[in-house]
Amino acid sequence: SQTIHQWPATLVQPVGSPLSLECTVEGTSNPNLYWYRQAAGRGLQLLFYSVGIGQISSEVPQNLSASRPQDRQFILSSKKLLLSDSGFYLCAWSPGGDTQYFGPGTRLTVL
Amino acid sequence: KQEVTQIPAALSVPEGENLVLNCSFTDSAIYNLQWFRQDPGKGLTSLLLIQSSQREQTSGRLNASLDKSSGRSTLYIAASQPGDSATYLCAVRKGSGGSNYKLTFGKGTLLTVNP
Repeated sequence: SQTIHQWPATLVQPVGSPLSLECTVEGTSNPNLYWYRQAAGRGLQLLFYSVGIGQISSEVPQNLSASRPQDRQFILSSKKLLLSDSGFYLCAWSPGGDTQYFGPGTRLTVL
Repeated sequence: KQEVTQIPAALSVPEGENLVLNCSFTDSAIYNLQWFRQDPGKGLTSLLLIQSSQREQTSGRLNASLDKSSGRSTLYIAASQPGDSATYLCAVRKGSGGSNYKLTFGKGTLLTVNP
């Protein structure tokens, strides 16, 4: 069966510090991968998606970047965090088709 | 630009009651619609997925319907239980392939089932 992992589960970072969130998927190959952010009072917003290694599409211009160094690894990064980057970050995967399966999420607080 | 609205934003019901959650979307040209459940501080769990050619899907006490032409979907929960308490999210997908993988989410309905 397939599983998706995210770490860390929670993170508190000062403004201006770097960020690296990691997502890995097990039990499948060549998944589509997604990064979403859920901010207080707002719906889930797609940030990045990837259909293959090194292939990243950005949905929203922002302070963040994503990379896919391996088939089942998706990394969300920032060089300098802003207060507005606070939120709940969710990674998801899909087998190229319909249902997206979500990870447990990372709660990021920028102070 | 697709917009998804969920009504009500919050709902509190006594245990055992049947209830309906509503979802509407502005662009009827969708590929599918999905209902998710989110427990506090957790990720999303897929409940039901309805393809654009389908009218409804059922899983246990859950039934989701889709009226694509009017841009509406409902999630019906029968005989609600305290364990059903969670936020329910509706999401639509534009199409297949490329950037059409994107899901557009509503803000969710927070359901509380009181024992």
